[in-house]
Amino acid sequence: DTGVSQNPRHKITKRGQNVTFRCDPISEHNRLYWYRQTLGQGPEFLTYFQNEAQLEKSRLLSDRFSAERPKGSFSTLEIQRTEQGDSAMYLCASSLAFQTGELFFGEGSRLTVL
Amino acid sequence: AQTVTQSQPEMSVQEAETVTLSCTYDTSESDYYLFWYKQPPSRQMILVIRQEAYKQQNATENRFSVNFQKAAKSFSLKISDSQLGDAAMYFCAYEGGRYSGAGSYQLTFGKGTKLSVIP
Repeated sequence: DTGVSQNPRHKITKRGQNVTFRCDPISEHNRLYWYRQTLGQGPEFLTYFQNEAQLEKSRLLSDRFSAERPKGSFSTLEIQRTEQGDSAMYLCASSLAFQTGELFFGEGSRLTVL
Repeated sequence: AQTVTQSQPEMSVQEAETVTLSCTYDTSESDYYLFWYKQPPSRQMILVIRQEAYKQQNATENRFSVNFQKAAKSFSLKISDSQLGDAAMYFCAYEGGRYSGAGSYQLTFGKGTKLSVIP
């Protein structure tokens, strides 16, 4: 399967714990995006990378959130000191630079904070 | 800031019939892109169709077509000959900033329309 892969698919954690999600994009894609989707809402942009450089971050990305893409391949999204409001589906997508809006999404990582 | 509004939370259509999903958006930009994405239950979101704002001709992809009204800031999706596999959440999305120097590649999504297809 050469699509976007996200792990874990589901994560249940207690408030205050740290969680990390991993995204493996399509191998030739140099852009990688993180979005968050809550129930009844469309995805909201969090951040994006071109190769290993994090070029844009949303104001939604508080200082408890950090994303990395160390070698321009896979990416991790870490949430520290989780809060119940962090419960959501975290979507990763990838694309080629200069490709107009055709993002290839993974199936998402669902976070539940108890 | 750009906003995208989908005023129909749910729609239903009889199999083989045609349905139109509505989307309006607000922007001060003149060059931008609009998209419809489909999110089937428990599956990943996929691009259905895209429209470039500078193109007057409405985009078409097989059974899917759009009605793009730039002045009205309206971008509706028409699905013809609906099939059971069309049942999904449909999201309208906007991408702008490329030509204004803002350089943003983020998509702004609407809240979605849940489409049910009745056999």
